This record gives sequence, structure tokens and C-alpha cells, in this order.
Amino acid sequence: QVQLVESGGGLVKPGGSLRLSCAASGFTFSDYYMSWIRQAPGKGLEWVSYISSSGTSIYYADSVKGRFTISRDDAKNSVYLQMNSLRAEDTAVYYCARGQSRSLGWFDPWGQGTLVTVSS
Amino acid sequence: EIVMTQSPATLSVSPGQRATLSCRASQSVNSNLAWYQQKPGQAPRLLIYGASTRATGIPARFSGSGSGTEFTLTISSLQSEDFAVYYCQQYNYYYTFGQGTKLEIK
Repeated sequence: QVQLVESGGGLVKPGGSLRLSCAASGFTFSDYYMSWIRQAPGKGLEWVSYISSSGTSIYYADSVKGRFTISRDDAKNSVYLQMNSLRAEDTAVYYCARGQSRSLGWFDPWGQGTLVTVSS
Repeated sequence: EIVMTQSPATLSVSPGQRATLSCRASQSVNSNLAWYQQKPGQAPRLLIYGASTRATGIPARFSGSGSGTEFTLTISSLQSEDFAVYYCQQYNYYYTFGQGTKLEIK
């Protein structure tokens, strides 16, 4: 079945870095847009970044632009989020989600999420 | 940026009754709108896409309507498992989520 599994979360100090991974299975990964979405504790959903199926189109929310980098490795069926210069307000559960084939669109499915805590 | 506004923030409804949730976009998103359900400790689950198309496996009691800037999610007869937080999301111009509506038991 279609599945996404995130990893790489943890506790990091302000100003530090972390790399999240999302392993996909059950579908032709290279055909799909992929996104990262986060949810701060007790808060709503915030879209963070997407990468197109070809990897040539990438976009970031203003809140992370210049600090986060999304990438994909189709050979490993994985998408990554490199997070640098982390701030307390980046504390959240980070979900990866599949978009649509060769276009933006709705997210389905979502991974189970990985918690990132930024604290000294 | 397209701002999505959901109302009400909290909705109290009795089991078996109908629930109507609203989502408004700050500019037209055509029919490029999705609805998600999220239960505590779980990832969101897709309910509706294209404003009115139910996702695979979603019960018929869930229905979506609207286009342009005004959208509605209706749950026709609430079951115990439907009490959760619901989010709308536009994908017409990048992505934006609404702030969520918490559906609670009355």
C-alpha cells in the first residue's frame, strides 16, 4: 500500500541544523510532487515546502525561505528537508505528504510525522 | 498569499445530527480545494478534493460543495468517530490551510 515514513526528528539547540527524511513506498515516487507540512504543538497546519516530480520546481513558505532546503532522491524513493538556523518557532511535528502526479494538488497520503524540538 | 478562513472555530453538534463547516478564500481558488480530518495524535486524512469529490474510502455522509471563494463541508449524520478537527486547504496557488474547525460532541 502507499506509505510514507518520516525520520530524523529530535531535539536541537537554536541555531542548529537537522535533516529530515521521508521514505516512500507503494507508488511510482518519481511521478509525484512531494511536500513537507508542519504543525506546532496545539496549532494548525502550515505548509513548508514542495518539490516537483522532476525536481526542477521548488517553493518554500516565507517563514523558512533561506533556511530550509528540500530535495529528493528518486533512486531511493525519498524526499528530504535540510533545516538550518533553527529557531524555537520551528518546533513542530513535520509531516511529509504526497501531492499529485506532475502538478500541485491535494495531499494524500501523509506520513505519521516526526517531532522537531528546538530548545536550549 | 491566499488566506483561508474557516468558521466556526468550534462547532458543537449531537451525534446523529448534521454538521456544516465553512471555508472562505481571500480570492478565487476555483475548485482547487481539499478538506482533511485530523484526530488527536494522528496525521491528517484526506476527505474531499476538487471541492466536492470524496477521497477513496470516505463515507458518503461526508460531502463538499462550493467554488470560487466559498466552500462547505457537510457531515450528514454525525458518528462518534467524526468528532475531530477539520482543515480546508487551497492548492490553486501554492498551498494554504485554514486554521481549522474543531467538531465536538454536544
